Amino acid sequence: AQSVSQHNHHVILSEAASLELGCNYSYGGTVNLFWYVQYPGQHLQLLLKYFSGDPLVKGIKGFEAEFIKSKFSFNLRKPSVQWSDTAEYFCAVNALTTDSWGKLQFGAGTQVVVTP
Amino acid sequence: NAGVTQTPKFQVLKTGQSMTLQCAQDMNHNSMYWYRQDPGMGLRLIYYSASEGTTDKGEVPNGYNVSRLNKREFSLRLESAAPSQTSVYFCASSEFTSGYNEQFFGPGTRLTVL
Repeated sequence: AQSVSQHNHHVILSEAASLELGCNYSYGGTVNLFWYVQYPGQHLQLLLKYFSGDPLVKGIKGFEAEFIKSKFSFNLRKPSVQWSDTAEYFCAVNALTTDSWGKLQFGAGTQVVVTP
Repeated sequence: NAGVTQTPKFQVLKTGQSMTLQCAQDMNHNSMYWYRQDPGMGLRLIYYSASEGTTDKGEVPNGYNVSRLNKREFSLRLESAAPSQTSVYFCASSEFTSGYNEQFFGPGTRLTVL
């Protein structure tokens, strides 16, 4: 079975600091990759997605992610965070196989707290 | 265009009670999903429906049943609630075509089972 691993469970950083959240997955074939964000008390919203093409993907609110196929990784980055980026971030993978049709496998999530 | 809506937003049950969580989407998506979210475990798929008239088990289906009522609506039923089912439940929908599966999520139902 596929698995998704997020390296950090909690990250605390100051405003204007750079953020990088790691995500690795276990499936070796074709994948769709996603980062979702969940602000306090809200539902999940899509930050960015990778289906194919340029491995450097830009999303909303200044976030970007890089797909490195050889490392099975899809790390999320933001050069300068703001207090409003305080949220939980989830990496998700859809392995394109018959068995995993349409199913997203989520990582455990990373709680990010940005201090003023 | 409301996207994905869920009712109720909050619910408290006693062990052994039953209830149905409702979900509806207005994006004309074929596929719908039910997840539960627990601290430190991310989201886990309970059941999904690839298209109207079909449902399949996900990762954690025990204790739950689903009904795809029509293209818009997908309900989740707890027949006999247990404290282990205390969780936040999210419904999602997608138009899964050509391998592109971007899912859109509802606001969630916070369920407590005493």
